[in-house]
Amino acid sequence: EAAVTQSPRNKVTVTGGNVTLSCRQTNSHNYMYWYRQDTGHGLRLIHYSYGAGNLQIGDVPDGYKATRTTQEDFFLLLELASPSQTSLYFCASSDPRDWGGAGQNTLYFGAGTRLSVL
Amino acid sequence: GDSVTQTEGQVALSEEDFLTIHCNYSASGYPALFWYVQYPGEGPQFLFRASRDKEKGSSRGFEATYDKGTTSFHLRKASVQESDSAVYYCALGTGGYKVVFGSGTRLLVSP
Repeated sequence: EAAVTQSPRNKVTVTGGNVTLSCRQTNSHNYMYWYRQDTGHGLRLIHYSYGAGNLQIGDVPDGYKATRTTQEDFFLLLELASPSQTSLYFCASSDPRDWGGAGQNTLYFGAGTRLSVL
Repeated sequence: GDSVTQTEGQVALSEEDFLTIHCNYSASGYPALFWYVQYPGEGPQFLFRASRDKEKGSSRGFEATYDKGTTSFHLRKASVQESDSAVYYCALGTGGYKVVFGSGTRLLVSP
């Protein structure tokens, strides 16, 4: 099973602040993802990547940047944080070799980072 | 677009009760269907999946059957325990990276 580690676990910043959330996975998965989790909305995809140097836009990308520096490391950047970005953020990884068939993308999640923007 | 609907925001049961959490989906094509479980302070964990009509997925006493006719994948467990208290997410995958999650159902089991 993939090991996905997020840091920090908790972060408080002010409106307009600059925040970087980190994620490292140690199972050599090609795909990595950033999701946000909000009550009533479930999990929504912000950005994802299928390899070092690659970045793809997800469903709710506004106000977020991301960078994949290595196969293991994926970062989420909030350059001008706003209170609407207060949320629980999850990183996940997966590998197409495990998918088994069309649509069978099984995700492995980290423990999350709780971000508060005051 | 593709979507997943979980009608119960919260379910409260006593130990040994029967559990049903409803999940209905809307998707083009033939999606794979998943259940994930999230315990307090942790990220979601894959529970099981099914990829064809009438296929049953199961794990840890939980089960769900893919029903293309009713576009459903309801989660059931015959006898819940306090340790099953968690948030349960239904999800679908239609191909490649894309996974769409429902809004989640919080299960509270009292002793």
